[in-house]
Amino acid sequence: GENVEQHPSTLSVQEGDSAVIKCTYSDSASNYFPWYKQELGKRPQLIIDIRSNVGEKKDQRIAVTLNKTAKHFSLHITETQPEDSAVYFCAASKGAGTYKYIFGTGTRLKVLA
Amino acid sequence: DSGVTQTPKHLITATGQRVTLRCSPRSGDLSVYWYQQSLDQGLQFLIQYYNGEERAKGNILERFSAQQFPDLHSELNLSSLELGDSALYFCASSVGGGNYEQYFGPGTRLTVT
Repeated sequence: GENVEQHPSTLSVQEGDSAVIKCTYSDSASNYFPWYKQELGKRPQLIIDIRSNVGEKKDQRIAVTLNKTAKHFSLHITETQPEDSAVYFCAASKGAGTYKYIFGTGTRLKVLA
Repeated sequence: DSGVTQTPKHLITATGQRVTLRCSPRSGDLSVYWYQQSLDQGLQFLIQYYNGEERAKGNILERFSAQQFPDLHSELNLSSLELGDSALYFCASSVGGGNYEQYFGPGTRLTVT
């Protein structure tokens, strides 16, 4: 069935370093891949997304790359700051009919000052 | 503020009871999604409605039901509540009709005692 694996489950980095979170999806028909950031007790917020017709997208310190052949996509955060500390979720959607997301299990990122 | 509203913010009730959670989507959005997030867990997709019709079902228990009304607001009904139903319940909305971003509401924290 549909599945999205996300690694690592926890990640600690020093302030200013880069962080990379990876997701692998199972359904080759997936064509939309959003990333959400969730701070403790708050709602998930969309931070960046990518569609299957592009391989990379960047927004300031955040970038996402997509490898359709390998069926994986990654979130890259450069020059990390303490306010980047949160749980990050990836998701995949294939759009046909339901548009429902399949979420990864989340990565807890801790940026150490 | 995502434009998605949920009420109530907090709900405390006893086992065996029934509660109703309410969600109003962003203006113009036709799709509503419901998710359950238990403590330190990921986002479990429950159900999706598009323009009043059920479009997809996830891991939704038979004790749970939902509907979307003509004005597009949605309600999630949880009955015969158990301790394990304690969680954050999020509603999200999207334009629908394609693979678009989902915007999450602030959530309803349900505590079953």
